[in-house]
Amino acid sequence: DVKVTQSSRYLVKRTGEKVFLECVQDMDHENMFWYRQDPGLGLRLIYFSYDVKMKEKGDIPEGYSVSREKKERFSLILESASTNQTSMYLCASRATGTGGYNTEAFFGQGTRLTVV
Amino acid sequence: RKEVEQDPGPFNVPEGATVAFNCTYSNSASQSFFWYRQDCRKEPKLLMSVYSSGNEDGRFTAQLNRASQYISLLIRDSKLSDSATYLCVVKVGPSNTGKLIFGQGTTLQVKP
Repeated sequence: DVKVTQSSRYLVKRTGEKVFLECVQDMDHENMFWYRQDPGLGLRLIYFSYDVKMKEKGDIPEGYSVSREKKERFSLILESASTNQTSMYLCASRATGTGGYNTEAFFGQGTRLTVV
Repeated sequence: RKEVEQDPGPFNVPEGATVAFNCTYSNSASQSFFWYRQDCRKEPKLLMSVYSSGNEDGRFTAQLNRASQYISLLIRDSKLSDSATYLCVVKVGPSNTGKLIFGQGTTLQVKP
């Protein structure tokens, strides 16, 4: 069974704090993603990584950074948390497809972050 | 314009009904297409991939029209357990470095 584990289900942080969200997958997947999900806006891609130490900006990277030092772990960092970063954060991992094969993305259970 | 657009609904249908969801995407270089399902307060899970020739999995049928940049999902004989949010997903970019873009989701409520 593929498992994607996010370090916290619920988190409350103060404005201005540095926040780390951790995600670990156990299936040796190359690709990892961080999304945030807000009502009416769906899942929006913050950053993704296609290999160790490789990262690409998604659609809404402002205010976030990421780290991928090991293949199984992808961290999302809020450098200085703000109230508009209150959201549900979802991590996903996916194997690289070959020969046109569509591989499935597996999600963690999500972290509900509240910034006060 | 959003890269992937869906009608958010909600769609309220009786059990046994047939319901269709549509999705459009803007990037003509999009390579792979999927439907994911998300239950309330749960993470999204893959429902089915969408292939150029169309594909079926039990009561679910997915279609892709590359010329119109349009994807659809048809659910026949709806069950109460089909109530969920259905997410249209498009992969943009090469196989190994492509990113997954999600639509905002379409909510389905199946009623007895």
